[in-house]
Amino acid sequence: KQEVTQIPAALSVPEGENLVLNCSFTDSAIYNLQWFRQDPGKGLTSLLLIQSSQREQTSGRLNASLDKSSGRSTLYIAASQPGDSATYLCAVRLSNFGNEKLTFGTGTRLTIIP
Amino acid sequence: DADVTQTPRNRITKTGKRIMLECSQTKGHDRMYWYRQDPGLGLRLIYYSFDVKDINKGEISDGYSVSRQAQAKFSLSLESAIPNQTALYFCATSDAWGNQPQHFGDGTRLSIL
Repeated sequence: KQEVTQIPAALSVPEGENLVLNCSFTDSAIYNLQWFRQDPGKGLTSLLLIQSSQREQTSGRLNASLDKSSGRSTLYIAASQPGDSATYLCAVRLSNFGNEKLTFGTGTRLTIIP
Repeated sequence: DADVTQTPRNRITKTGKRIMLECSQTKGHDRMYWYRQDPGLGLRLIYYSFDVKDINKGEISDGYSVSRQAQAKFSLSLESAIPNQTALYFCATSDAWGNQPQHFGDGTRLSIL
């Protein structure tokens, strides 16, 4: 059974700092991995999706890396801003064809201190 | 307008009542999903549908049923609600191959008293 862990559960950093969020998974046979952002009272917004054949994806100040062999992904946020405050979730999809199940981590609640 | 719309956004009801949560999408995606989110447990898949004629159980389907009325509409029903079904419920959609990110609605906060 795939398990996804995100540590720490909460993180506070001063504005302007670079930071890294961590995601680990137990089954390396994944199809892809996604990072989401969740704001209070809102749904999930996809930030980055990394296919199993890729090592990283970048979007603006965000960079996500994937190391399947070690079962790890990181989300790097550069020059953090108060608007980055949210809960960040990672989710993995298994490789089985037709297996639509995304297994989610419980998230890291990020607070950027102005 | 939102791409994925869930109604209602909030609902408080009593044990034993039948409840329907509705989801509609304008993205033209074939695949639709229902998840629930509980504190400390992350999101868990309840049901998913590849198209109007294809419905599949997720990991926690007991106590729930779904109906795919059209490509754009996917509803979740609790036939006889119980307190441990109190949660935040999300609908999501994706393209046919799942190579693109899933798109989520804003959620329905459901409380069963």
